[in-house]
Amino acid sequence: DVKVTQSSRYLVKRTGEKVFLECVQDMDHENMFWYRQDPGLGLRLIYFSYDVKMKEKGDIPEGYSVSREKKERFSLILESASTNQTSMYLCASSLTDYGYTFGSGTRLTVV
Amino acid sequence: AQSVTQPDIHITVSEGASLELRCNYSYGATPYLFWYVQSPGQGLQLLLKYFSGDTLVQGIKGFEAEFKRSQSSFNLRKPSVHWSDAAEYFCAVGPNTNAGKSTFGDGTTLTVKP
Repeated sequence: DVKVTQSSRYLVKRTGEKVFLECVQDMDHENMFWYRQDPGLGLRLIYFSYDVKMKEKGDIPEGYSVSREKKERFSLILESASTNQTSMYLCASSLTDYGYTFGSGTRLTVV
Repeated sequence: AQSVTQPDIHITVSEGASLELRCNYSYGATPYLFWYVQSPGQGLQLLLKYFSGDTLVQGIKGFEAEFKRSQSSFNLRKPSVHWSDAAEYFCAVGPNTNAGKSTFGDGTTLTVKP
C-alpha cells in the first residue's frame, strides 16, 4: 500500500524554536505539498515542490521554508515558531495527473 | 484563478438515507475534480476523481459523483449512508500543469443519525 509518512502525530514546541516537520513518501511521486488546516479556514497551501531541490510558494508561505534534497522527502521548517502557527499540518504527494495521497497529519502546538 | 465552493458547511442525514454533497468550481478550462474524505484526526483520503470522459464517476466506499459542465458542479452522492461515513468531505479542483496543484473547498461535515 502506498504511503505518505509524517514523522510526528503530535508536537509541542516553544515560541522561538526552530521546528522541522518531516514527510516521506514511498511512491516515487514527483510532486509534494505542505498544507495547514485550521477550523473555518479549510486547507491552505504553504509550499509545494515538483522536483528535487525545486520549490514554490503557496498561498501562505510567510514564516515557513522547505527543503527537498531527495525525491522522497519534503521537510517543512518553521524558522522561529510562533503561537499563530499552532495548527494541523498535512503533507501530500502526487503524480501530476492524479489526486493527492495525504499523510496522517502533524498536530503542532506552539506554547 | 481556480476556486471551489462547498455551500453546505454541515449536513445531517439518517443512516440508510441517500446523500448528496454539493460542490461548485470556477476554472478556465476543463478541470481535474476530486472528492476527499477526512475522518477525525486523520489525513485526507481520495474518494474519486474526474479527468475526462464519462461524467459520472465511481469511487471507493460506494460513492459516485457527476460532473456537470453547464452548472460548474461536481456533486458527490451515495444511495445509502452508513454510520461510518460520518466525516468531513472536501471537493478540490486542479489543473494538469503546475504540479497538479489543487485548490480545496472549505469542506462539508457529515453527521449520520442512527
